[in-house]
Amino acid sequence: NAGVTQTPKFRILKIGQSMTLQCAQDMNHNYMYWYRQDPGMGLKLIYYSVGAGITDKGEVPNGYNVSRSTTEDFPLRLELAAPSQTSVYFCASSSGTGGLGYTFGSGTRLTVV
Amino acid sequence: DAKTTQPPSMDCAEGRAANLPCNHSTISGNEYVYWYRQIHSQGPQYIIHGLKNNETNEMASLIITEDRKSSTLILPHATLRDTAVYYCIVRPPYNTDKLIFGTGTRLQVFP
Repeated sequence: NAGVTQTPKFRILKIGQSMTLQCAQDMNHNYMYWYRQDPGMGLKLIYYSVGAGITDKGEVPNGYNVSRSTTEDFPLRLELAAPSQTSVYFCASSSGTGGLGYTFGSGTRLTVV
Repeated sequence: DAKTTQPPSMDCAEGRAANLPCNHSTISGNEYVYWYRQIHSQGPQYIIHGLKNNETNEMASLIITEDRKSSTLILPHATLRDTAVYYCIVRPPYNTDKLIFGTGTRLQVFP
């Protein structure tokens, strides 16, 4: 049982480049989330999804896009990468029955130079 | 969602109980108190949650005051592996299931 899988684990981007962070879960969870965590700070919610075809903005959505075409996958797209997007990105999923069911991925460490 | 206040850091000797406080004076009647922790740079891990009664599981105990304006997470016998950032979060159980994180308490367990 893999849980939540994020790829890649590390990535260095140049300013202005684009990339997609992949997230997949195998627990049949309806709810999925993307968070970012800057050094020494707590996690900030970027986008979330309550089911396939449904997405909504979180606290810090600017500079990012998401899609949810299947229950399993929730990719995060960065367009025109900026140094301010240097962060660790966590994907999570939950069953939708309260905080008990949250499962986090191991994170993607992104550096924009 | 109600806001929480936690001390930025705490120390605890290995083998002793670690008591992590959290203030949530504006908590609403249907909001639960959740605790998560983040070890080093891993993804956060669920610890425990409660509404008004004290709760205990294999990881920790959660003590919620009678007025529900504060709570304490207790790790009964802290080990070095419990060194982590601990997040206290209050939220309704079905608010589209979002978790909004604060800055947490950095617990350092020393030998």
